[in-house]
Amino acid sequence: GAVVSQHPSRVICKSGTSVKIECRSLDFQATTMFWYRQFPKQSLMLMATSNEGSKATYEQGVEKDKFLINHASLTLSTLTVTSAHPEDSSFYICSARDPNGGAYEQYFGPGTRLTVT
Amino acid sequence: TQLLEQSPQFLSIQEGENLTVYCNSSSVFSSLQWYRQEPGEGPVLLVTVVTGGEVKKLKRLTFQFGDARKDSSLHITAAQPGDTGLYLCAGGNNYQLIWGAGTKLIIKP
Repeated sequence: GAVVSQHPSRVICKSGTSVKIECRSLDFQATTMFWYRQFPKQSLMLMATSNEGSKATYEQGVEKDKFLINHASLTLSTLTVTSAHPEDSSFYICSARDPNGGAYEQYFGPGTRLTVT
Repeated sequence: TQLLEQSPQFLSIQEGENLTVYCNSSSVFSSLQWYRQEPGEGPVLLVTVVTGGEVKKLKRLTFQFGDARKDSSLHITAAQPGDTGLYLCAGGNNYQLIWGAGTKLIIKP
């Protein structure tokens, strides 16, 4: 149980274009999902917390107009990187909190490698 | 600001050796989790500890939560190449997870 999928796994886009990444909880309903960014050989950096049916809560320093998050259903959250630039290239990972699990346990998707050329 | 210091940051040992990874904080956590991440993949939850002094075992991995719930350790016995990966600890408090910096573990055959 507690499986989270993420799509696409890899994407290459040109500078100035937008990219959408999907995160789905496959076998549970996730009222809360999280979006992380990870640089090589580093830990996870929380970007935002996504709550179904309400606006996402962004961490300090994360531009909400650049990283658009939509959590329209209990099983799907999307992250759109708008007007992407090479410095946005990174590994983006989503996670979901299983309401039937521990209060702090998060289940992660496989990640999306974004390369902006 | 809550911090979770993880050490060592990097560890490379021979197959069969034992090792311990530590996570320390001045803050008390409601729970603490350990994750393992392989390159190009998302972290996978290994264990959650919630009670001070709690010890959990997962095959050759032993996890311990400090009595004061401020620190935790991960001990691996007779490490194998398949244990190679990035190990992350995360402390839960006020509905937030505080992440350690990670320990890059390499087990050489």
